[in-house]
Amino acid sequence: DAKTTQPPSMDCAEGRAANLPCNHSTISGNEYVYWYRQIHSQGPQYIIHGLKNNETNEMASLIITEDRKSSTLILPHATLRDTAVYYCIVLPQTGANNLFFGTGTRLTVIP
Amino acid sequence: EAGVTQSPTHLIKTRGQQVTLRCSPISGHTSVYWYQQALGLGLQFLLWYDEGEERNRGNFPPRFSGRQFPNYSSELNVNALELEDSALYLCASRKTGLAGGPSYNEQFFGPGTRLTVL
Repeated sequence: DAKTTQPPSMDCAEGRAANLPCNHSTISGNEYVYWYRQIHSQGPQYIIHGLKNNETNEMASLIITEDRKSSTLILPHATLRDTAVYYCIVLPQTGANNLFFGTGTRLTVIP
Repeated sequence: EAGVTQSPTHLIKTRGQQVTLRCSPISGHTSVYWYQQALGLGLQFLLWYDEGEERNRGNFPPRFSGRQFPNYSSELNVNALELEDSALYLCASRKTGLAGGPSYNEQFFGPGTRLTVL
Protein backbone atom coordinates (compact mmCIF):
# COMPACT_ATOMS: atom_id res chain seq x y z
CA ASP A 1 0.00 0.00 0.00
CA ALA A 2 1.15 3.51 -0.79
CA LYS A 3 2.02 5.44 2.33
CA THR A 4 2.61 8.62 0.37
CA THR A 5 0.49 11.09 -1.56
CA GLN A 6 1.89 13.18 -4.38
CA PRO A 7 0.29 15.50 -6.96
CA PRO A 8 0.01 13.70 -10.30
CA SER A 9 1.74 16.40 -12.31
CA MET A 10 3.59 19.70 -12.10
CA ASP A 11 5.21 22.13 -14.51
CA CYS A 12 8.32 24.18 -13.88
CA ALA A 13 10.09 26.78 -16.00
CA GLU A 14 13.63 25.95 -16.99
CA GLY A 15 16.14 27.51 -14.62
CA ARG A 16 13.63 27.95 -11.83
CA ALA A 17 13.39 25.87 -8.66
CA ALA A 18 11.09 22.86 -8.80
CA ASN A 19 9.40 22.08 -5.49
CA LEU A 20 7.79 18.66 -5.37
CA PRO A 21 5.62 17.95 -2.32
CA CYS A 22 4.89 14.62 -0.68
CA ASN A 23 2.52 13.79 2.16
CA HIS A 24 3.36 10.85 4.42
CA SER A 25 1.16 11.44 7.44
CA THR A 26 1.39 7.83 8.69
CA ILE A 27 5.18 7.64 8.62
CA SER A 28 6.70 5.66 11.49
CA GLY A 29 9.57 6.82 13.63
CA ASN A 30 12.00 4.38 12.03
CA GLU A 31 11.08 5.15 8.44
CA TYR A 32 13.15 7.26 6.10
CA VAL A 33 11.87 9.33 3.20
CA TYR A 34 13.42 8.38 -0.14
CA TRP A 35 13.09 10.09 -3.49
CA TYR A 36 13.64 8.40 -6.84
CA ARG A 37 12.95 9.62 -10.35
CA GLN A 38 12.35 7.85 -13.64
CA ILE A 39 13.19 9.54 -16.88
CA HIS A 40 11.16 8.18 -19.77
CA SER A 41 12.03 4.58 -20.71
CA GLN A 42 14.92 4.41 -18.26
CA GLY A 43 15.33 2.66 -14.92
CA PRO A 44 14.56 4.69 -11.79
CA GLN A 45 17.37 6.74 -10.31
CA TYR A 46 17.97 7.36 -6.61
CA ILE A 47 18.01 11.06 -5.73
CA ILE A 48 18.14 11.62 -1.99
CA HIS A 49 16.82 10.41 1.35
CA GLY A 50 16.37 11.71 4.88
CA LEU A 51 15.01 10.91 8.32
CA LYS A 52 14.17 14.19 10.00
CA ASN A 53 16.85 16.70 9.13
CA ASN A 54 17.03 18.58 5.87
CA GLU A 55 19.41 17.01 3.41
CA THR A 56 21.26 18.31 0.35
CA ASN A 57 23.37 16.62 -2.28
CA GLU A 58 24.56 17.45 -5.76
CA MET A 59 21.18 16.64 -7.26
CA ALA A 60 18.62 18.09 -4.89
CA SER A 61 17.58 19.21 -1.43
CA LEU A 62 15.07 17.47 0.81
CA ILE A 63 13.07 19.43 3.34
CA ILE A 64 11.19 17.36 5.94
CA THR A 65 8.68 19.05 8.21
CA GLU A 66 9.26 18.92 11.95
CA ASP A 67 6.35 16.51 12.46
CA ARG A 68 7.70 14.41 9.55
CA LYS A 69 4.27 14.17 7.98
CA SER A 70 5.34 15.79 4.74
CA SER A 71 8.41 16.64 2.75
CA THR A 72 9.47 18.64 -0.29
CA LEU A 73 12.06 17.73 -2.88
CA ILE A 74 13.73 20.80 -4.33
CA LEU A 75 15.56 20.87 -7.64
CA PRO A 76 17.20 24.28 -7.35
CA HIS A 77 17.67 25.06 -11.03
CA ALA A 78 15.51 22.76 -13.13
CA THR A 79 16.75 21.79 -16.58
CA LEU A 80 14.96 20.04 -19.42
CA ARG A 81 16.79 16.85 -18.43
CA ASP A 82 14.93 16.92 -15.09
CA THR A 83 11.66 16.13 -16.84
CA ALA A 84 10.68 12.81 -15.26
CA VAL A 85 8.31 11.07 -12.87
CA TYR A 86 9.38 11.66 -9.28
CA TYR A 87 8.55 9.11 -6.59
CA CYS A 88 8.45 9.68 -2.84
CA ILE A 89 8.82 6.46 -0.82
CA VAL A 90 8.91 5.83 2.92
CA LEU A 91 10.64 2.74 4.23
CA PRO A 92 12.28 1.40 7.39
CA GLN A 93 15.95 0.53 7.43
CA THR A 94 15.46 -3.18 8.08
CA GLY A 95 13.43 -6.07 6.74
CA ALA A 96 11.97 -6.47 3.28
CA ASN A 97 12.87 -3.35 1.38
CA ASN A 98 11.25 -3.74 -1.98
CA LEU A 99 10.40 -0.27 -3.20
CA PHE A 100 6.75 0.68 -3.65
CA PHE A 101 6.70 3.44 -6.21
CA GLY A 102 3.09 4.53 -6.30
CA THR A 103 2.06 6.91 -9.07
CA GLY A 104 4.54 9.71 -8.41
CA THR A 105 4.56 13.26 -9.78
CA ARG A 106 5.21 13.83 -13.45
CA LEU A 107 7.40 16.94 -13.59
CA THR A 108 7.60 18.73 -16.91
CA VAL A 109 10.30 21.37 -17.25
CA ILE A 110 9.24 23.96 -19.77
CA PRO A 111 11.80 25.86 -21.88
CA GLU B 1 32.38 1.68 -12.00
CA ALA B 2 30.02 -0.26 -14.26
CA GLY B 3 26.35 0.00 -13.45
CA VAL B 4 23.68 -2.67 -13.41
CA THR B 5 23.43 -4.38 -16.77
CA GLN B 6 20.51 -6.30 -18.22
CA SER B 7 20.08 -8.47 -21.28
CA PRO B 8 18.53 -8.59 -23.71
CA THR B 9 17.39 -5.03 -24.30
CA HIS B 10 14.29 -6.02 -26.19
CA LEU B 11 12.50 -9.30 -26.65
CA ILE B 12 9.45 -10.44 -28.60
CA LYS B 13 7.70 -13.67 -27.68
CA THR B 14 4.37 -15.30 -28.35
CA ARG B 15 1.77 -16.48 -25.88
CA GLY B 16 2.65 -19.70 -24.10
CA GLN B 17 6.39 -19.37 -24.64
CA GLN B 18 8.99 -19.08 -21.91
CA VAL B 19 11.53 -16.31 -21.45
CA THR B 20 14.69 -15.75 -19.41
CA LEU B 21 15.95 -12.30 -18.55
CA ARG B 22 19.40 -11.64 -17.13
CA CYS B 23 20.85 -9.11 -14.74
CA SER B 24 24.37 -8.37 -13.55
CA PRO B 25 24.58 -6.24 -10.42
CA ILE B 26 27.13 -3.60 -9.62
CA SER B 27 30.38 -5.13 -8.37
CA GLY B 28 30.19 -5.59 -4.63
CA HIS B 29 26.39 -5.64 -4.54
CA THR B 30 24.87 -8.90 -3.38
CA SER B 31 21.16 -8.05 -3.38
CA VAL B 32 19.20 -8.13 -6.63
CA TYR B 33 15.62 -6.98 -7.12
CA TRP B 34 13.27 -7.50 -10.04
CA TYR B 35 10.42 -5.15 -10.89
CA GLN B 36 7.78 -5.16 -13.61
CA GLN B 37 6.55 -1.95 -15.22
CA ALA B 38 3.56 -2.62 -17.41
CA LEU B 39 2.15 0.24 -19.46
CA GLY B 40 0.01 2.45 -17.27
CA LEU B 41 0.47 0.32 -14.14
CA GLY B 42 3.62 1.68 -12.57
CA LEU B 43 6.48 -0.28 -11.07
CA GLN B 44 5.53 -3.50 -9.31
CA PHE B 45 7.93 -5.48 -7.12
CA LEU B 46 8.53 -9.04 -8.31
CA LEU B 47 11.41 -10.71 -6.46
CA TRP B 48 14.33 -10.02 -4.13
CA TYR B 49 17.44 -12.19 -4.00
CA ASP B 50 20.23 -11.85 -1.51
CA GLU B 51 23.25 -14.12 -1.11
CA GLY B 52 21.72 -16.64 -3.49
CA GLU B 53 18.42 -16.94 -1.64
CA GLU B 54 14.96 -15.64 -2.47
CA ARG B 55 14.16 -13.19 0.35
CA ASN B 56 10.84 -11.72 -0.69
CA ARG B 57 8.28 -12.09 -3.42
CA GLY B 58 5.65 -9.76 -4.80
CA ASN B 59 2.07 -10.61 -5.71
CA PHE B 60 2.84 -12.50 -8.92
CA PRO B 61 1.90 -16.07 -9.96
CA PRO B 62 4.40 -18.93 -9.62
CA ARG B 63 5.19 -18.87 -13.34
CA PHE B 64 7.39 -15.90 -12.46
CA SER B 65 10.54 -17.31 -10.91
CA GLY B 66 14.22 -16.65 -10.76
CA ARG B 67 17.49 -17.41 -9.19
CA GLN B 68 20.73 -15.81 -8.15
CA PHE B 69 24.10 -17.27 -9.01
CA PRO B 70 27.26 -17.43 -6.86
CA ASN B 71 28.60 -14.34 -8.68
CA TYR B 72 25.38 -12.53 -7.63
CA SER B 73 24.04 -12.21 -11.16
CA SER B 74 20.40 -13.16 -11.51
CA GLU B 75 17.89 -14.58 -13.93
CA LEU B 76 14.17 -13.96 -14.12
CA ASN B 77 12.15 -16.71 -15.78
CA VAL B 78 8.60 -16.33 -16.96
CA ASN B 79 6.76 -19.43 -18.11
CA ALA B 80 3.56 -19.72 -20.14
CA LEU B 81 3.71 -16.11 -21.27
CA GLU B 82 0.47 -14.15 -21.39
CA LEU B 83 -0.29 -10.96 -23.27
CA GLU B 84 -0.38 -8.97 -20.03
CA ASP B 85 3.22 -9.94 -19.31
CA SER B 86 4.26 -7.36 -21.88
CA ALA B 87 6.22 -4.85 -19.85
CA LEU B 88 9.56 -3.31 -19.02
CA TYR B 89 11.38 -5.59 -16.58
CA LEU B 90 13.81 -3.76 -14.36
CA CYS B 91 16.59 -5.16 -12.24
CA ALA B 92 18.15 -3.28 -9.35
CA SER B 93 21.04 -4.06 -7.03
CA ARG B 94 22.06 -2.96 -3.57
CA LYS B 95 24.99 -3.47 -1.24
CA THR B 96 24.31 -5.94 1.50
CA GLY B 97 25.08 -5.59 5.15
CA LEU B 98 23.41 -2.21 5.41
CA ALA B 99 20.44 -3.20 7.57
CA GLY B 100 19.67 -0.43 9.98
CA GLY B 101 21.68 2.10 8.04
CA PRO B 102 20.44 5.04 5.96
CA SER B 103 21.56 3.55 2.64
CA TYR B 104 19.57 0.34 3.14
CA ASN B 105 16.97 1.32 0.57
CA GLU B 106 19.30 2.84 -2.01
CA GLN B 107 18.84 0.68 -5.07
CA PHE B 108 20.62 1.07 -8.39
CA PHE B 109 18.59 0.21 -11.46
CA GLY B 110 19.56 -1.19 -14.82
CA PRO B 111 18.13 0.01 -18.13
CA GLY B 112 15.55 -2.76 -18.27
CA THR B 113 14.42 -5.40 -20.73
CA ARG B 114 11.34 -4.59 -22.76
CA LEU B 115 9.31 -7.75 -23.31
CA THR B 116 6.53 -7.83 -25.87
CA VAL B 117 4.18 -10.81 -25.91
CA LEU B 118 2.15 -11.27 -29.10
